[in-house]
Amino acid sequence: DTGVSQNPRHKITKRGQNVTFRCDPISEHNRLYWYRQTLGQGPEFLTYFQNEAQLEKSRLLSDRFSAERPKGSFSTLEIQRTEQGDSAMYLCASSWDRGRGYQTQYFGPGTRLLVL
Amino acid sequence: AQSVTQLGSHVSVSEGALVLLRCNYSSSVPPYLFWYVQYPNQGLQLLLKYTSAATLVKGINGFEAEFKKSETSFHLTKPSAHMSDAAEYFCAVSDRGGGYQKVTFGTGTKLQVIP
Repeated sequence: DTGVSQNPRHKITKRGQNVTFRCDPISEHNRLYWYRQTLGQGPEFLTYFQNEAQLEKSRLLSDRFSAERPKGSFSTLEIQRTEQGDSAMYLCASSWDRGRGYQTQYFGPGTRLLVL
Repeated sequence: AQSVTQLGSHVSVSEGALVLLRCNYSSSVPPYLFWYVQYPNQGLQLLLKYTSAATLVKGINGFEAEFKKSETSFHLTKPSAHMSDAAEYFCAVSDRGGGYQKVTFGTGTKLQVIP
């Protein structure tokens, strides 16, 4: 168990550019989540996957945001035409759905995005 | 909608003193409750969780929290602060429904430990 990993750890981009982040969950976990955390705030839910299916998206996830988990393993989060307001820490988490009870979400170290 | 309120965005304690971080929740049904810790430039680590049964929950690093339904509170405590406890702490709530259990986080409390 190597934990949840995210790449890159830091990204600086110019406004209007596209960026893509990658998340590798804990290998046996079938659920994967993306959160956004801005300075001074707690993480806010963006979207989640059960295997390869994207089952819920927050209204925070505008049309410029897209997430995929093509084979039910790693996931990518792409932001098109970045805006300065997109500057934040993007966190990925994973969990194992046993069908009942609570499943602990394990977080990765995050990708910090700065849009100039 | 469920939510949590963390009282105090910054808390300072002396090394060896009691740590008390406050969290109140709002939920229409008995929730799951959590405390996470975040060190600078790192992701969140689960300290402890309340899911049912025992109202006093013990977590890692000597932390514990007590679920008080009558007060809708889930305060985090540690008898003796250590320098390594300096971090940001997030209280979070999740419902017990089937399917995806959405986790809602508070705004965080930064803990400073003074030598």
